[in-house]
Amino acid sequence: AQSVTQPDIHITVSEGASLELRCNYSYGATPYLFWYVQSPGQGLQLLLKYFSGDTLVQGIKGFEAEFKRSQSSFNLRKPSVHWSDAAEYFCAVGAEAAGNKLTFGGGTRVLVKP
Amino acid sequence: DAGITQSPRHKVTETGTPVTLRCHQTENHRYMYWYRQDPGHGLRLIHYSYGVKDTDKGEVSDGYSVSRSKTEDFLLTLESATSSQTSVYFCAISAGRGGTSTDTQYFGPGTRLTVL
Repeated sequence: AQSVTQPDIHITVSEGASLELRCNYSYGATPYLFWYVQSPGQGLQLLLKYFSGDTLVQGIKGFEAEFKRSQSSFNLRKPSVHWSDAAEYFCAVGAEAAGNKLTFGGGTRVLVKP
Repeated sequence: DAGITQSPRHKVTETGTPVTLRCHQTENHRYMYWYRQDPGHGLRLIHYSYGVKDTDKGEVSDGYSVSRSKTEDFLLTLESATSSQTSVYFCAISAGRGGTSTDTQYFGPGTRLTVL
């Protein structure tokens, strides 16, 4: 069975500073990996996804993520955080089996200090 | 944005009453999903559908049933609501293009359900 761990429940970062959110997954085959962001009271918005190919993936809002198979990780980064980046971030892994079932991590809540 | 609506957006009900949540899409996507979101657990899959009248269980399906009689609608029913089913419920859709079932999922705005 697949699983996803986001070790950091909360992260506080100053506006303009860099941000890195950790995601570790467990899956027996080639994973399909996603990062979603959820603003308060909103649904989930896709930031980026990895299916295959280049292991450095660019997403929306200036985010990028790097797939490292040897470390079973898919960490999300942003070089300079804006106040509007305050939200909860979810990493997810997709299943190869029919149904495209996603398994989500517990989420990391990001607070941005002025 | 993907054309997904959920209704109602908020509901308060009492223990033991039946509740039905509706997910409606305008994208004609094949796959539809119901998740629940609880603090510290991220989102967990309840049920999903891979076509009209084709559904299957997810990770936390006990106490829930689903139906899909039309491509555009996916209903989630709590036959007898319990306080443990207080949660935020999200619907998602995906096209499942290219013969692969692993496609991007797009989420609706959510329904906040409180069971007293």
